[in-house]
Amino acid sequence: DTGVSQNPRHKITKRGQNVTFRCDPISEHNRLYWYRQTLGQGPEFLTYFQNEAQLEKSRLLSDRFSAERPKGSFSTLEIQRTEQGDSAMYLCASSPRGPRDTGELFFGEGSRLTVL
Amino acid sequence: AQSVAQPEDQVNVAEGNPLTVKCTYSVSGNPYLFWYVQYPNRGLQFLLKYITGDNLVKGSYGFEAEFNKSQTSFHLKKPSALVSDSALYFCAVRDLMNTGFQKLVFGTGTRLLVSP
Repeated sequence: DTGVSQNPRHKITKRGQNVTFRCDPISEHNRLYWYRQTLGQGPEFLTYFQNEAQLEKSRLLSDRFSAERPKGSFSTLEIQRTEQGDSAMYLCASSPRGPRDTGELFFGEGSRLTVL
Repeated sequence: AQSVAQPEDQVNVAEGNPLTVKCTYSVSGNPYLFWYVQYPNRGLQFLLKYITGDNLVKGSYGFEAEFNKSQTSFHLKKPSALVSDSALYFCAVRDLMNTGFQKLVFGTGTRLLVSP
């Protein structure tokens, strides 16, 4: 399968614990996005990488959130000291840069976080 | 900022009947518009997009969408609904910054329920 891969698919944690999600984008895509989706809402942009550089961050991304893409391939999203309000689906998406880029995003299956 | 609105939280239709899921947009410049579908606990799957050209865009699974510039609408349609079309549908618009950064901005979603 050459699509966007996310792990883990589900994570249940207790409030105050740290969690980390991983995203493997489509291999030739150099743009990578993280979105968050809460129940009954559309996906909301969190952060954007072009290769290994994190170029954009939403105000939704509090200090407890950190994202990396160390070699311009896979990315991780870490949430420290989780709160119940962090419960959501975390979606990763990638896209190519260049003439083929029309803005379309290719999404992974998502990582659902439940904070107890 | 670019935005889309989906005025209906839910659309109910009987199998075999035509369906329409509504979306209106607010953009500066030429809109790049998208429809995605989401099944329970899954990521978003691309259905179709409008970039330029014909106002009627054909996409996956028999879906199509009509771009209407005067009404600033991009409604999703299908001539004959299937029970398996029941899912959450999102309209999205590309938000392109002067820096070249782009992301998709999503609506709040419309739940489509097709009854047998």
